[in-house]
Amino acid sequence: GDSVTQMEGPVTLSEEAFLTINCTYTATGYPSLFWYVQYPGEGLQLLLKATKADDKGSNKGFEATYRKETTSFHLEKGSVQVSDSAVYFCALGNTDKLIFGTGTRLQVFP
Amino acid sequence: DAGVTQSPTHLIKTRGQQVTLRCSPKSGHDTVSWYQQALGQGPQFIFQYYEEEERQRGNFPDRFSGHQFPNYSSELNVNALLLGDSALYLCASSTDGQLDGYTFGSGTRLTVV
Repeated sequence: GDSVTQMEGPVTLSEEAFLTINCTYTATGYPSLFWYVQYPGEGLQLLLKATKADDKGSNKGFEATYRKETTSFHLEKGSVQVSDSAVYFCALGNTDKLIFGTGTRLQVFP
Repeated sequence: DAGVTQSPTHLIKTRGQQVTLRCSPKSGHDTVSWYQQALGQGPQFIFQYYEEEERQRGNFPDRFSGHQFPNYSSELNVNALLLGDSALYLCASSTDGQLDGYTFGSGTRLTVV
């Protein structure tokens, strides 16, 4: 069945460092791809999305490109801030439901 | 405009008991989906309700059941609680299940002792 694989965390960075969180997927058809963020004690917030191959989703300095040839949707940010510390989930959309990866915790230190 | 509201925020139950969790969708949304998020894991799809009927179901036992009311609010019921049911239960609402319109609530933290 469909699945999402994310890199293990935690990812620990200094402020202003470059961020990459890897995400690959297995799916039949052409799913939409999403990145969600979860801050402590809160639910999930949509960070960005892409609906077809080669689409680039972007929001708040974060970017991810839907790569069909490598079945990947890696999350990147050029300069992280302490406020970006959270858990990031990659997900694919399949028949009106989301399938999530296990999440990657990001810790940014001043 | 209120987003998705879940109640209660925290709950402690004893093994074997039954529990009901509640969700009010975002204004204008008609579809409610429930997810279970175990500690350190990603959310897993339980089921989705649309027009007061279960439209899709994930790989969860029949102990998990739900309901949607005419005002689109929803309940998740879990019978015969197991220790392994301890998790954060998330409700998400959308319009006719459209994925890019999903809005999540803050969840109900269920602890089974």
